[in-house]
Amino acid sequence: GAVVSQHPSRVICKSGTSVKIECRSLDFQATTMFWYRQFPKQSLMLMATSNEGSKATYEQGVEKDKFLINHASLTLSTLTVTSAHPEDSSFYICSAPTGSGPQHFGDGTRLSIL
Amino acid sequence: GQNIDQPTEMTATEGAIVQINCTYQTSGFNGLFWYQQHAGEAPTFLSYNVLDGLEEKGRFSSFLSRSKGYSYLLLKELQMKDSASYLCAVRGGGNNRLAFGKGNQVVVIP
Repeated sequence: GAVVSQHPSRVICKSGTSVKIECRSLDFQATTMFWYRQFPKQSLMLMATSNEGSKATYEQGVEKDKFLINHASLTLSTLTVTSAHPEDSSFYICSAPTGSGPQHFGDGTRLSIL
Repeated sequence: GQNIDQPTEMTATEGAIVQINCTYQTSGFNGLFWYQQHAGEAPTFLSYNVLDGLEEKGRFSSFLSRSKGYSYLLLKELQMKDSASYLCAVRGGGNNRLAFGKGNQVVVIP
């Protein structure tokens, strides 16, 4: 079964809306989670590393005021896309590592901004 | 930084064997992962290599040569459901982050 749960799976909303995406680790604790974005036929691009109890680490070129990350507990990280615009439309995916093993991905959230 | 290179697309017949290559450059190498991604879905984990050699997992095998910065994924007895993108990802740089290649699209035909 899934070890990482991501919700919602699909969002369609108007430009200017803020959208919140949740990522939960199931049956294990994740002090670190990762948020990726994937445009059609492109690779996964790491946006930020979410750290439980501290600030997220953002990759170069990712606006931290635009993409707010909160990792309030050992099983939950949230990504909020603030004042979303059509260019923010993409597939957003979270992942959590299981110790030194592989990262397991959530099912992804397809965001469409009209 | 990390640099990962994969060929882009290949077509193969059902029942055949396909090898997908991945070359990488990174400092502080700490594992290479293969993921399968169907269109519109999130990646699913296939295999993991941290030491040189071959890891076999059912119809899928993965090989690693750290000195050459090279890995391959071998898909045997191809099935139609194996049509997907196969992503190579490297963990390195002294942290737990993964850097992904662009993926190799495999199309399985009858």
